[in-house]
Amino acid sequence: GAVVSQHPSRVICKSGTSVKIECRSLDFQATTMFWYRQFPKQSLMLMATSNEGSKATYEQGVEKDKFLINHASLTLSTLTVTSAHPEDSSFYICSAGTGVNQPQHFGDGTRLSIL
Amino acid sequence: GESVGLHLPTLSVQEGDNSIINCAYSNSASDYFIWYKQESGKGPQFIIDIRSNMDKRQGQRVTVLLNKTVKHLSLQIAATQPGDSAVYFCADVSSGGSYIPTFGRGTSLIVHP
Repeated sequence: GAVVSQHPSRVICKSGTSVKIECRSLDFQATTMFWYRQFPKQSLMLMATSNEGSKATYEQGVEKDKFLINHASLTLSTLTVTSAHPEDSSFYICSAGTGVNQPQHFGDGTRLSIL
Repeated sequence: GESVGLHLPTLSVQEGDNSIINCAYSNSASDYFIWYKQESGKGPQFIIDIRSNMDKRQGQRVTVLLNKTVKHLSLQIAATQPGDSAVYFCADVSSGGSYIPTFGRGTSLIVHP
């Protein structure tokens, strides 16, 4: 149980394109999901907390207008990287948990490459 | 965990050896701890967790030890196999706070056949 599906797994696109990444909890409901960014050989950096039915909470230094988050249902959160540039190239990972003091379950990540 | 954003430390072991991966955390209010395994190009996978009312927990071939006094966590993998090669992250959570896990910097485990 507790499967999180992330799509797409890889995106290659031109600079200036907006890219949408989906994160779904397949067999449980998640009022909260998390979006992370990971650079090669580094740890996961929390970008934002996605809250179902309300605005996302962004970490310091993360531009909310650049990284749009929508959590319209209990099983789906989306991250849109708007007007992406090469410096936005990274590995983006989402996670969701089944409750307090339960482990987060992660999607398999999206490798975003902006040319 | 203490995430400093630097390159990952590496632990190299021979197949069959036991591996010990260490992690330090800084929040004394953390009361829930998780180890994750991340293979190349994939998201982290849950391995084992431990709550602060315990100092040891065992799973299949894995043991987590918690020392709250020095805010240290370790993951022991018995009879390490090539399939264990991955990056291992610890995460700590404060249930009195935001419930958001804080990830450590990670350790790259390389198992040589």
